[in-house]
Amino acid sequence: SQTIHQWPATLVQPVGSPLSLECTVEGTSNPNLYWYRQAAGRGLQLLFYSVGIGQISSEVPQNLSASRPQDRQFILSSKKLLLSDSGFYLCAWSGVEDYEQYFGPGTRLTVT
Amino acid sequence: AQSVTQLDSQVPVFEEAPVELRCNYSSSVSVYLFWYVQYPNQGLQLLLKYLSGSTLVKGINGFEAEFNKSQTSFHLRKPSVHISDTAEYFCAVSPTGFQKLVFGTGTRLLVSP
Repeated sequence: SQTIHQWPATLVQPVGSPLSLECTVEGTSNPNLYWYRQAAGRGLQLLFYSVGIGQISSEVPQNLSASRPQDRQFILSSKKLLLSDSGFYLCAWSGVEDYEQYFGPGTRLTVT
Repeated sequence: AQSVTQLDSQVPVFEEAPVELRCNYSSSVSVYLFWYVQYPNQGLQLLLKYLSGSTLVKGINGFEAEFNKSQTSFHLRKPSVHISDTAEYFCAVSPTGFQKLVFGTGTRLLVSP
């Protein structure tokens, strides 16, 4: 069966520091991958999605970036964090011909 | 573009009572519809989905939803809730042929004894 992992589970970082969040999927090949941010009371906002290695689409311009160095690995990065980057970050995957998405456990990021 | 409205930010209900969580969407094209549940500090879990066929969709944990195209709604229902149903519920839409989801802002279901 397929599983999706995210780490770290929680992270506290100072303003201006770099960020790297990792997401990996097991048990499937060539998944579509997604990064979402969930801010309190605002639902989920799609940040990036990827349909293949090195193929990244950005939905919201900001100081975050994403990369997909391997088929089942998706990384969210920032060079300098802002206070507004605080939130709950969720990674998700879907099959090539599926429309439902399956979510990881999330990373709680607090920027201080 | 698509949008999803979940009018109720919070729904309090007593255990064993019925509940309905409302979801309305806006789209100029056909859509697929989904309900997800999120327990505290966890990811989202798919409750049910409507892709085509019967407009009444049954999901996990005794939940069901009905797609109403004329009213552009996809309300979630459960005839008798449990304490363990306390969670946040998200409605989402995806235009047919695309794999990006647009989420509502969520409804917090609070079940008390």
